[in-house]
Parts: sequence; C-alpha cells; structure tokens
Amino acid sequence: GESVGLHLPTLSVQEGDNSIINCAYSNSASDYFIWYKQESGKGPQFIIDIRSNMDKRQGQRVTVLLNKTVKHLSLQIAATQPGDSAVYFCAEIPNNAGNMLTFGGGTRLMVKP
Amino acid sequence: KAGVTQTPRYLIKTRGQQVTLSCSPISGHRSVSWYQQTPGQGLQFLFEYFSETQRNKGNFPGRFSGRQFSNSRSEMNVSTLELGDSALYLCASSPVQGAGSEAFFGQGTRLTVV
Repeated sequence: GESVGLHLPTLSVQEGDNSIINCAYSNSASDYFIWYKQESGKGPQFIIDIRSNMDKRQGQRVTVLLNKTVKHLSLQIAATQPGDSAVYFCAEIPNNAGNMLTFGGGTRLMVKP
Repeated sequence: KAGVTQTPRYLIKTRGQQVTLSCSPISGHRSVSWYQQTPGQGLQFLFEYFSETQRNKGNFPGRFSGRQFSNSRSEMNVSTLELGDSALYLCASSPVQGAGSEAFFGQGTRLTVV
C-alpha cells in the first residue's frame, strides 16, 4: 500500500476502546476545520468538520472538539473498530482561502483486535 | 454518482521529462484542487481551479502548472521532472468554492521519477 508517512506518530488502541487523536493547527485566521481518514492505497476521506464559531460537533461515533484559545483540534472515535485503522489528518482553511486545505502531519491509528 | 477519477493511477518517468496528470471531478462539482503527498512533507496544496480560473496557488516552483476545462475536468503538468517530484498526486473536487464546501478526493496518481 501507499506509504503516507514514514515517521508518523502512532496511536495503538484495543478494539472497543475510545480513541482520541490530537492536532495543533497554525493559523488563528482559520475558520473551518476538517478531519480526514486515509487508508492504504486510497485518497483522504472526509470524516467530520467544524466551523470556528463552534467548539464541539458530533457525528456517528465521532466527535470533533475545537479549542481556539490554544489552536487545538481533537477527534474522538467511540468504540474503535478494526476498520478505523488508518492515517488521520486534520486540515484547516483560513478565511477567504477558497478550498485551499492546509493539512497537519497525520496520526496513524492501529486497532488491535 | 461516480467519484473523483484520476488517471493514470501509476506513472514512471525519467528525470528531465514532463508529465500530465488528469482529474475528472464529481459531476456538478466546479472546484478542483491538487495536492502533493510525500512521506517527508505530507500533504501539500498545489493549486485550486474554479470555473476554469486558478483561484489559489501553493508554494511550488513554476514547473508545476495546471488548467481546468469548461467541463470542470482538470489537468496538472510538471515539466523538467526531478527525483524529488516522486509523490502521490491527489485531486479533490468540491461543489462550490469557499470554506465549508466538502472536498472529495480521488485515489491519486503515484508518480515515480527515476
């Protein structure tokens, strides 16, 4: 499969446990944030997004938290499953930047059965 | 609804050659963005096109260029290839331009420069 990062931080969790993946973003002018999941051999897949006027948003088994004070974003995955194993990227879009995504370095999530 | 289609999936080129990669966005999507993904630099924005116009450009040399056609299909070109251009090139399409418009990615073109 594709190697998306030779030295990615790795989070290893037991199947059924909750996972928390963290991301520090750089631009205080960013007003839109997205989490992507990338599996081997595939392009990034949208998971969940959040606007800067919110601090929490929930989806199916996933929650994104935004702390603008410290420029920190987190993704929480409930009841992690083997199919959640992938590399996770946070991305930000500054004001007036169209669809120009700035990606974080990524975190590899490994789920142990 | 068909997803984003990128062709070819794999490509091997020699240093100094040029290459053209193609992206067909999701039907109805008018914004197409290109990204380069490498193990060392991660995912980096190349450029974005909307309605045949380049709207944003990343920090890449002029050897990297692109265009968008009236049917929203896009191509990117890299001239005078260098070994460091070896990467996965990803295309993303969005319905409209502007933050909040969800981007859908293709599977990418794996370019190897030898």
